[in-house]
Amino acid sequence: NAGVTQTPKFQVLKTGQSMTLQCAQDMNHEYMSWYRQDPGMGLRLIHYSVGAGITDQGEVPNGYNVSRSTTEDFPLRLLSAAPSQTSVYFCASRMASLGYTFGSGTRLTVV
Amino acid sequence: GENVEQHPSTLSVQEGDSAVIKCTYSDSASNYFPWYKQELGKRPQLIIDIRSNVGEKKDQRIAVTLNKTAKHFSLHITETQPEDSAVYFCAATTGFQKLVFGTGTRLLVSP
Repeated sequence: NAGVTQTPKFQVLKTGQSMTLQCAQDMNHEYMSWYRQDPGMGLRLIHYSVGAGITDQGEVPNGYNVSRSTTEDFPLRLLSAAPSQTSVYFCASRMASLGYTFGSGTRLTVV
Repeated sequence: GENVEQHPSTLSVQEGDSAVIKCTYSDSASNYFPWYKQELGKRPQLIIDIRSNVGEKKDQRIAVTLNKTAKHFSLHITETQPEDSAVYFCAATTGFQKLVFGTGTRLLVSP
């Protein structure tokens, strides 16, 4: 049982490049979310999903896309990277009415 | 939507003292309130949670209290130790929607 697996752990992008952050969980959790964490700003929700085929926007969705084709996977796509997207990204999963299990995070730098 | 406010943003205590972190929430329908601890460079980890049908919950040196009327909940750490130093986040959800986090409290326990 690996929990929540995020890849890559570190990434440097040039402005305008696109990429996908991968997230997979093997706990059969219904809910998955992507958060970004910036100094002094806590965890801000980007997008979330309550099940396969269902996604919704969080607090800061602009510049990001998601899809949920399977229960296990919830990739986050950066369409055209900007320096403002430099952050630590956490994927998390949970069952309804339970706390999240977080992945180990992806540290993204956009130059 | 739900909004969670957390205070204080930083808290310094001496080893052995107690620490209290307070959060307020806006959505009276919220019924699940987890607390997370995040050590430097690590992922957030669930340390305790409470549901709306319970007023208090304890786990060794950690306790959480909930006041539904006032819409606030608190984390209490007794007999603090240097290894309690970390950033603590509160969160709230109705259980079927997104989990919203507070902005975090940096706790420093000095020997």
